[in-house]
Amino acid sequence: QKEVEQNSGPLSVPEGAIASLNCTYSDRGSQSFFWYRQYSGKSPELIMSIYSNGDKEDGRFTAQLNKASQYVSLLIRDSQPSDSATYLCAVNGGATNKLIFGTGTLLAVQP
Amino acid sequence: GAGVSQSPRYKVAKRGQDVALRCDPISGHVSLFWYQQALGQGPEFLTYFQNEAQLDKSGLPSDRFFAERPEGSVSTLKIQRTQQEDSAVYLCASSFLGQGNQPQHFGDGTRLSIL
Repeated sequence: QKEVEQNSGPLSVPEGAIASLNCTYSDRGSQSFFWYRQYSGKSPELIMSIYSNGDKEDGRFTAQLNKASQYVSLLIRDSQPSDSATYLCAVNGGATNKLIFGTGTLLAVQP
Repeated sequence: GAGVSQSPRYKVAKRGQDVALRCDPISGHVSLFWYQQALGQGPEFLTYFQNEAQLDKSGLPSDRFFAERPEGSVSTLKIQRTQQEDSAVYLCASSFLGQGNQPQHFGDGTRLSIL
């Protein structure tokens, strides 16, 4: 079992819809959770961080964390074609500062 | 600039050559990380520095890989006797403090191709 798992997609949503991206992790000791957006040929760009159970909202983005279920999600409201990218889930275990990444979910927003 | 700077952006080398990749982190950032990203995969951790100290090198795939950060700012990742499987994008990231909850900010990476 991979430490951080994501559906590779592609996830296709129409413009204006809600995109829901999911991630599960195996290390129960994980403390910090991050979502990065990566456009093709570009570097990962941090879009959300979450550290405690519940929801965290920032503009059109909402991150959700459920430590009991070892589950992190990212919701993108009013999806735009410019949101089309690969979304990487990353987890930090606390004992070390390294990030463990999933393989990423490719999101395609159809105009 | 204000972000993490990496050079070169692209590097082509013949199998067996040595390469050196440079990372200039965000000014004042204590922590510096190197990751390797294969096509279609997420970044994989290579090594971590806090200031000049290399605190974790568990991700380096072989003794052909070596990283240093002698003055606690710029870092160099060196790969000796390159192999085709070393072809990947090498990403550098930095964070302000040496704590796991600090977000890491990535550079644009060096795309390494071994012929």
